[in-house]
Amino acid sequence: AQSVTQLGSHVSVSEGALVLLRCNYSSSVPPYLFWYVQYPNQGLQLLLKYTTGATLVKGINGFEAEFKKSETSFHLTKPSAHMSDAAEYFCAVSEYSSGSARQLTFGSGTQLTVLP
Amino acid sequence: DTGVSQDPRHKITKRGQNVTFRCDPISEHNRLYWYRQTLGQGPEFLTYFQNEAQLEKSRLLSDRFSAERPKGSFSTLEIQRTEQGDSAMYLCASSPPQTMNTEAFFGQGTRLTVV
Repeated sequence: AQSVTQLGSHVSVSEGALVLLRCNYSSSVPPYLFWYVQYPNQGLQLLLKYTTGATLVKGINGFEAEFKKSETSFHLTKPSAHMSDAAEYFCAVSEYSSGSARQLTFGSGTQLTVLP
Repeated sequence: DTGVSQDPRHKITKRGQNVTFRCDPISEHNRLYWYRQTLGQGPEFLTYFQNEAQLEKSRLLSDRFSAERPKGSFSTLEIQRTEQGDSAMYLCASSPPQTMNTEAFFGQGTRLTVV
């Protein structure tokens, strides 16, 4: 079974500072990897995804992530944090089940706080 | 609004009562997923439909949980004899049929509180 580990349940950065949220996965096959963001009492919104091809993936709101197979990592970064980035971020890996479903396995999340 | 719609957004129920949640996926999305999210955790996969067929249900938490998608459109998730441990956010997601790497689109969830 695949799994996802997010290092750091809480991360605080100052506005304008670099954002780095860490994600490591385990998978016996090439994974599909995702980052989602969740605002309070809301569903999840996709930030970016890696499937195949270029290992540096750009997403919405200035976020990007790099797939590093040798490190089994998919860390999320943003050069300059904005107050509106404060939210919970989830890394996820997809796996197959019957019918070729692409169910997601999520990490436990990282709460990002942006300080003025 | 063409996103995934869930109803109700909030449900408070007494322990032992049955509850049912509804999910309307994005039009033409044939794949529908249910997840449960407890406080401080990531969503946990429960079950999956492709059209009206429930192709994965082994992750449903107990036999008190059941889901249907009778006409391949909307879906319902029922919890019978609710327990306090069932308190959580229940999320529905849908995805289109074409490619294997398409992401899931999530609804805003139904927050269940069992008192």
